[in-house]
Amino acid sequence: GENVEQHPSTLSVQEGDSAVIKCTYSDSASNYFPWYKQELGKRPQLIIDIRSNVGEKKDQRIAVTLNKTAKHFSLHITETQPEDSAVYFCAAPNDYKLSFGAGTTVTVRA
Amino acid sequence: KAGVTQTPRYLIKTRGQQVTLSCSPISGHRSVSWYQQTPGQGLQFLFEYFSETQRNKGNFPGRFSGRQFSNSRSEMNVSTLELGDSALYLCASSLDPPGSPYYEQYFGPGTRLTVT
Repeated sequence: GENVEQHPSTLSVQEGDSAVIKCTYSDSASNYFPWYKQELGKRPQLIIDIRSNVGEKKDQRIAVTLNKTAKHFSLHITETQPEDSAVYFCAAPNDYKLSFGAGTTVTVRA
Repeated sequence: KAGVTQTPRYLIKTRGQQVTLSCSPISGHRSVSWYQQTPGQGLQFLFEYFSETQRNKGNFPGRFSGRQFSNSRSEMNVSTLELGDSALYLCASSLDPPGSPYYEQYFGPGTRLTVT
């Protein structure tokens, strides 16, 4: 089955700096790679996703890159702000399910 | 369009009891997935339904079951509750099943189950 590994598990950054979270997956048939943000006490929110036919996608301060050869994808947050503090999950589909990474707790220090 | 809704939002049950949780997907969405979220275990997949058929089930005991109705609404049931079943149960819906070309999954607010 699909195994999605996510690193780091925690990340503390100074406000204004960049944050990078990396995930690796095992199923070469995976074709869709979403990222979810979960604030304390709230539901996971889809913030950006990338499909296997592109290598990079940007949406304002967030971007995702995909390397299908190496089977890894990354989330990049630039100019971090306090509201970026949350748990971020990566995921990949496999066999009629979405497998999630263990999550990264991002703390943005003022 | 209304988002995914789940009822009830909070539930307190006693060990040995059973519980039924409900999920209404986004209008038009046909795939519903359920997840268990606990602080130390992240998002654990329970099962996925598409057009009333369960197509995948996670590594959970048989006490966990579910179903999907013809209007795509879904329920999950946990029988003989254990203390370890205390968790946030999240439902998510998508137009098409995981792996489809335009697949996108959206979560409901969850049901917080506490077993005492």
